[in-house]
Amino acid sequence: KAGVTQTPRYLIKTRGQQVTLSCSPISGHRSVSWYQQTPGQGLQFLFEYFSETQRNKGNFPGRFSGRQFSNSRSEMNVSTLELGDSALYLCASSQTSGGEQFFGPGTRLTVL
Amino acid sequence: DAKTTQPNSMESNEEEPVHLPCNHSTISGTDYIHWYRQLPSQGPEYVIHGLTSNVNNRMASLAIAEDRKSSTLILHRATLRDAAVYYCISGNAGNNRKLIWGLGTSLAVNP
Repeated sequence: KAGVTQTPRYLIKTRGQQVTLSCSPISGHRSVSWYQQTPGQGLQFLFEYFSETQRNKGNFPGRFSGRQFSNSRSEMNVSTLELGDSALYLCASSQTSGGEQFFGPGTRLTVL
Repeated sequence: DAKTTQPNSMESNEEEPVHLPCNHSTISGTDYIHWYRQLPSQGPEYVIHGLTSNVNNRMASLAIAEDRKSSTLILHRATLRDAAVYYCISGNAGNNRKLIWGLGTSLAVNP
């Protein structure tokens, strides 16, 4: 069974731009969660989607948004990028909300 | 969700057991204890989780203190591949994804 895939793997943007990251969960998994990982803060939860509905949301500004499609694939969007948004963005899927999470390799976003 | 405290780093020798401690003194009765690890340039991977009783799987063992305020992840025979950052997380295993991950313990394994 294929693992969680994330595209693109690396991305360079400039301040003020917007970006969309994509995540394909493991087949059969209906829950997708997004995390931001930075050296000083560790992993911070962004949001979780289950069956196309946002189930949980972390403490991030409204510039961070996401959605989930009927095939469980998920996208995350960040508008008006700031330098502090530079991070590794991780996606994790699970069969159910709250189940064991399987992480993708992440998308490394650099904002210049 | 309970905050966890782990040592920043630990070192072990190959083929020796490793005991990774975690304090979660504010844990509530329904919070599970999860352990994940992150190998270099990879996303985190699940290791083990438990609620009250000690747990074993093919990767590791989890020893949970009787008062549940601390736990220990045990790698029975460390290999070079076990060098990673180990995260101890405490939280509700239900719908709540607001798990506080912290910075984890960086484990170095010496050949």
